[in-house]
Amino acid sequence: NAGVTQTPKFRVLKTGQSMTLLCAQDMNHEYMYWYRQDPGMGLRLIHYSVGEGTTAKGEVPDGYNVSRLKKQNFLLGLESAAPSQTSVYFCASTLKRTLLSYNEQFFGPGTRLTVL
Amino acid sequence: GIQVEQSPPDLILQEGANSTLRCNFSDSVNNLQWFHQNPWGQLINLFYIPSGTKQNGRLSATTVATERYSLLYISSSQTTDSGVYFCAVGPYSGAGSYQLTFGKGTKLSVIP
Repeated sequence: NAGVTQTPKFRVLKTGQSMTLLCAQDMNHEYMYWYRQDPGMGLRLIHYSVGEGTTAKGEVPDGYNVSRLKKQNFLLGLESAAPSQTSVYFCASTLKRTLLSYNEQFFGPGTRLTVL
Repeated sequence: GIQVEQSPPDLILQEGANSTLRCNFSDSVNNLQWFHQNPWGQLINLFYIPSGTKQNGRLSATTVATERYSLLYISSSQTTDSGVYFCAVGPYSGAGSYQLTFGKGTKLSVIP
């Protein structure tokens, strides 16, 4: 049981280049999330998905796109990278339960992205 | 949106000392988690505690939901406790209840 994994661990891009970050989870979780963490800050939500084929915007969605074609995978895309997107990106997942119940989020190890 | 404030922002402890970290939040929540981010950047789940008290070894946490705060207690601190401690909360409303808003963290340094 690997939990939440992220690919790649590190990446350096030039301004204007594109890339896709992959998040995979093997816990059969319905909900998945992408966050970014900037120096001295907590994590901020970029996009999230409540199920296969559905995505929604979070707090800081501009410049990113996402797709959830399979339940276990959640992809984050940067179409034209900018230096402001230099950050550490974390993926998380949680199991959907009843409305008032337990929904602890579990996080991947992070992807450190630098845009020059 | 919901606001999360953590205090203190920085804390330096001698090994063996005890500490209390605080998290205040501005609205009702049905999800509150404490995380430890180690020096390698990994986020480690400490507690899922939207209300009540839990203990895990030298760590314990208490959330008083009606007063909108949570406390994380670290006893007999060790150098391996160093890192940043984050509080994250989820609001009490439909699909939004599954999103977490993070505080800015408390950076803890434990010195030998």
